[in-house]
Amino acid sequence: QSALTQPASVSGSPGQSITISCTGTNSDVGAYNYVSWYKQHPDKAPRLILYEVSHRPSGLSNRFSGSKSGNTASLTIFGLRAEDEADYYCCSYIGSTGHYVFGTGTKVTVL
Amino acid sequence: QVQLVQFGAEVKEPGASVKVSCQASGYSFSAYQIHWVRQAPGQGLEWMGGINPLSDDTNYAQMFQGRLTVTRDTSTSTVYMELNNLRSDDTAIYSCARRGSMAGTGFDYWGEGTLVTVSS
Repeated sequence: QSALTQPASVSGSPGQSITISCTGTNSDVGAYNYVSWYKQHPDKAPRLILYEVSHRPSGLSNRFSGSKSGNTASLTIFGLRAEDEADYYCCSYIGSTGHYVFGTGTKVTVL
Repeated sequence: QVQLVQFGAEVKEPGASVKVSCQASGYSFSAYQIHWVRQAPGQGLEWMGGINPLSDDTNYAQMFQGRLTVTRDTSTSTVYMELNNLRSDDTAIYSCARRGSMAGTGFDYWGEGTLVTVSS
């Protein structure tokens, strides 16, 4: 199972919005609305920020928004802040096998 | 509060095995799957496999089939990940993560990770 494809890096200025794409296949991203997103600061554990494409865990900022079209899921961060600088990973469930696959990861830089 | 506790670090020689533990607390252990994810230095996240503590059913990524065993001890709410025939490219941080109540709910709690270094 190949990793989902994400851009290596995305950058933006404070207050701007950025979007990170996550492209898979019709066996993973395209098959179910079971895409989750994680934020990871250096040397820290990942943190769940979205699940089932667009649902936010309790207490998470509404500046994070998710969507999906076909085999590509997207994470949008609105009103970019310095603390948003981190690595972001998507993850998809693969229903036919019960497996999971992560994206290649995107480094977000706040200019 | 939900916690997944992992300890320290391991150094192993090529060809050896490593067994990493993950002790859960703060929730009903049998109600949530535990999965293992690894991250090599400077690399991305890689899903390895998981276990349903209630049924003891396991599921492993194809690339780890035959080398990976995930087990659980319900008496101590602990999940173990054992990886055999270690190679240098198995050097990574190995983290356990709790899967939410359903397949699509993501991994909502994570352990701090255990660094496994494979070196002769």
